[in-house]
Amino acid sequence: GDSVTQMEGPVTLSEEAFLTINCTYTATGYPSLFWYVQYPGEGLQLLLKATKADDKGSNKGFEATYRKETTSFHLEKGSVQVSDSAVYFCALTIKAAGNKLTFGGGTRVLVKP
Amino acid sequence: GAGVSQSPSNKVTEKGKDVELRCDPISGHTALYWYRQSLGQGLEFLIYFQGNSAPDKSGLPSDRFSAERTGGSVSTLTIQRTQQEDSAVYLCASSLTIDQPQHFGDGTRLSIL
Repeated sequence: GDSVTQMEGPVTLSEEAFLTINCTYTATGYPSLFWYVQYPGEGLQLLLKATKADDKGSNKGFEATYRKETTSFHLEKGSVQVSDSAVYFCALTIKAAGNKLTFGGGTRVLVKP
Repeated sequence: GAGVSQSPSNKVTEKGKDVELRCDPISGHTALYWYRQSLGQGLEFLIYFQGNSAPDKSGLPSDRFSAERTGGSVSTLTIQRTQQEDSAVYLCASSLTIDQPQHFGDGTRLSIL
């Protein structure tokens, strides 16, 4: 079946540090890839997405590139802020399967001032 | 603007009781999804509805779980004879079509005593 694997946290960083969260996937079809974020006390929000190979999704200074050859969708941000502290979820959908989301386990990121 | 609304936000009930969780999707969204977020299992798909098509129930963990969507809008997730392992946050999401990103509600936190 389809699955998503992402690095376990927590990841603790200082403000202005570089953030990378690794995400790899296995899929029976051609997936669309997503990063969702859950800030403390809030619901899941879409952060960025990419729907085909070599697409780059970007939002709020975060970027992720759809790499079909390595089945990866790593999330990066060049300079994190305290407000980026959250849990980040990598996910995929397969259109033929109704676009139901398959999530990774989540990575908690804590940014210290 | 109005997002996905879920009620109640919290529900505490005794083992063996039935519970109903409600989801009001964004107006005009044809696709509606239920997910469950628990400590042991992470985020997992339960069921989805698309227009007038038969729902995809492939993620429901047991026959104690059921859901309906009336008039293509509001959805109710029902859990019968609740067990302690049903304790989780139940999330609802909707999308304009299955091709579009899903928007999540804040969830219902269900605690089974």
